[in-house]
Amino acid sequence: DGGITQSPKYLFRKEGQNVTLSCEQNLNHDAMYWYRQDPGQGLRLIYYSQIVNDFQKGDIAEGYSVSREKKESFPLTVTSAQKNPTAFYLCASSPGLAGVLYNEQFFGPGTRLTVL
Amino acid sequence: AQSVAQPEDQVNVAEGNPLTVKCTYSVSGNPYLFWYVQYPNRGLQFLLKYITGDNLVKGSYGFEAEFNKSQTSFHLKKPSALVSDSALYFCAVSPSVHGSGNTGKLIFGQGTTLQVKP
Repeated sequence: DGGITQSPKYLFRKEGQNVTLSCEQNLNHDAMYWYRQDPGQGLRLIYYSQIVNDFQKGDIAEGYSVSREKKESFPLTVTSAQKNPTAFYLCASSPGLAGVLYNEQFFGPGTRLTVL
Repeated sequence: AQSVAQPEDQVNVAEGNPLTVKCTYSVSGNPYLFWYVQYPNRGLQFLLKYITGDNLVKGSYGFEAEFNKSQTSFHLKKPSALVSDSALYFCAVSPSVHGSGNTGKLIFGQGTTLQVKP
């Protein structure tokens, strides 16, 4: 899992609540990513950030929000607008912008979110 | 549309036998291709990647992959499987589209579960 930490490992949410998932990296990577994993569907990109104070929507951004105030941190908020938030959430990072296309991504251990 | 396909949901192999996990892709331009492995309730671990050059790429834990441009495939292989190789394997592609839209976004296949039996 390298130098990326995610917390908490397990998270339970009541319907109508917002929750924030933490992602921190000490790899000095510029780019950071949030993925959602559902059984049999692979990974789908929620949001990504290539530089501090800038981020873009991925394929399934609706109902999610992010911030990138520090290089090492990229928290994800799952809002009450996300209709089916129960999933395994993975954060990843990769090195500088010059190699963004071919540098491998380093993944955190994941957070499993369950809506009660 | 750009996509990655892993045609087998599960691959079963006996320990000591060779294994192959299949991956095909459809992207514009020259692809950058990756294989990752995931153990239960863990993040993904990088195994290997193809950027350019030799079509046979060697990676971690004895795995290798062969890039075949004409067949748009990037199959993962290992000469002798171990029980500890049992895990979920993902193929991914980063389209080499240059310009302001560069993102480093990875397109993932749906994953293949590898089961190695003693």
